[in-house]
Amino acid sequence: GESVGLHLPTLSVQEGDNSIINCAYSNSASDYFIWYKQESGKGPQFIIDIRSNMDKRQGQRVTVLLNKTVKHLSLQIAATQPGDSAVYFCAEIGGSQGNLIFGKGTKLSVKP
Amino acid sequence: DSGVTQTPKHLITATGQRVTLRCSPRSGDLSVYWYQQSLDQGLQFLIQYYNGEERAKGNILERFSAQQFPDLHSELNLSSLELGDSALYFCASSALGGLGTEAFFGQGTRLTVV
Repeated sequence: GESVGLHLPTLSVQEGDNSIINCAYSNSASDYFIWYKQESGKGPQFIIDIRSNMDKRQGQRVTVLLNKTVKHLSLQIAATQPGDSAVYFCAEIGGSQGNLIFGKGTKLSVKP
Repeated sequence: DSGVTQTPKHLITATGQRVTLRCSPRSGDLSVYWYQQSLDQGLQFLIQYYNGEERAKGNILERFSAQQFPDLHSELNLSSLELGDSALYFCASSALGGLGTEAFFGQGTRLTVV
């Protein structure tokens, strides 16, 4: 597949360990947040979302935490698997236009 | 499969030329977003349409334009192409206008300007 080739922060974890990916967002008016996973050569894929009236939301093996005080979002992946290797983006929606704005992304590398 | 279709998948063209990228949103989705992903810029929001009308504008160059048709498909037109326009261009769609709904992405069009 094709690599995006971005110079991204990289998180390297051992298979089976838990991963925590962090994101700082910019707009205090943002009221909806999404984590996306992008594998090489593919478009971003929705993982989990959270609204600003929540501080935690759990999915299957994933948990998103939202700290509005410091405008920080994190994605926790339990029992990380090789198939989790990808670039992870946080995105926010808010403000007057309501468009989806992406963060820089973090590359997750899972070692077998 | 996200349900969002982008064509073509790959496009190679020369500087100064004009190209059109096409996006068919998921069935029933009214909102279409266009993003540019280059090697050093991450996912940059270009423009959003909702039910045929421009809804939001991001870092879109004046050489670029887009539209959404009555059947809700969208086209992104890139003109006077420069080498720096080489990138992946993604289209995404959502049911509403970005108001708290997830967006689904297509597989992207890789544009190479030579």
